[in-house]
Amino acid sequence: DTAVSQTPKYLVTQMGNDKSIKCEQNLGHDTMYWYKQDSKKFLKIMFSYNNKELIINETVPNRFSPKSPDKAHLNLHINSLELGDSAVYFCASSVTGTKKNTIYFGEGSWLTVV
Amino acid sequence: QQQVKQSPQSLIVQKGGISIINCAYENTAFDYFPWYQQFPGKGPALLIAIRPDVSEKKEGRFTISFNKSAKQFSLHIMDSQPGDSATYFCAASLGNDYKLSFGAGTTVTVRA
Repeated sequence: DTAVSQTPKYLVTQMGNDKSIKCEQNLGHDTMYWYKQDSKKFLKIMFSYNNKELIINETVPNRFSPKSPDKAHLNLHINSLELGDSAVYFCASSVTGTKKNTIYFGEGSWLTVV
Repeated sequence: QQQVKQSPQSLIVQKGGISIINCAYENTAFDYFPWYQQFPGKGPALLIAIRPDVSEKKEGRFTISFNKSAKQFSLHIMDSQPGDSATYFCAASLGNDYKLSFGAGTTVTVRA
């Protein structure tokens, strides 16, 4: 009954490979996000989808391609992985139209590129 | 550029002591200021939040103090406990913007 779940939790892969991270939320939220946390723990938004529509696309290399098949799912595909892509990727969700705008995070996917 | 600046980077406090984390922002349009708590191996979770129409908000041992004129806000953890050892992030957003701008984080260690 995890609210925001993402898989896999750990991923070790070689440079140049293509990998995907999947995310699902069962909170009934209409907005989903991908955040990247680097080795210094800095959190930065990458993408945001509202009702399956891309609304935020920060300056992320186009090797990163999000896809939202429905409001409850947001996947992240990464092509031609580079060493600098090693980080923790957090999926998150929220409800629009509320004063609180609380964002709920998943537990993260640890990506290591070797 | 970082829109929210957070300090200190880390702090160590004795059990029962007070932990204080400070944040400053530039964008006066920000109108929502949450604090997130992150334990090792977990995602950040909302701890407490404030809007600029109040100067202080308290929830249990956690208090946010907000100074609109100085564009600063801070988190006070009273009677710090070892279970409070975590990384704390301040953040800010504006209106119905979907994006939270996070501070760099403060790692708090509470020694028993």
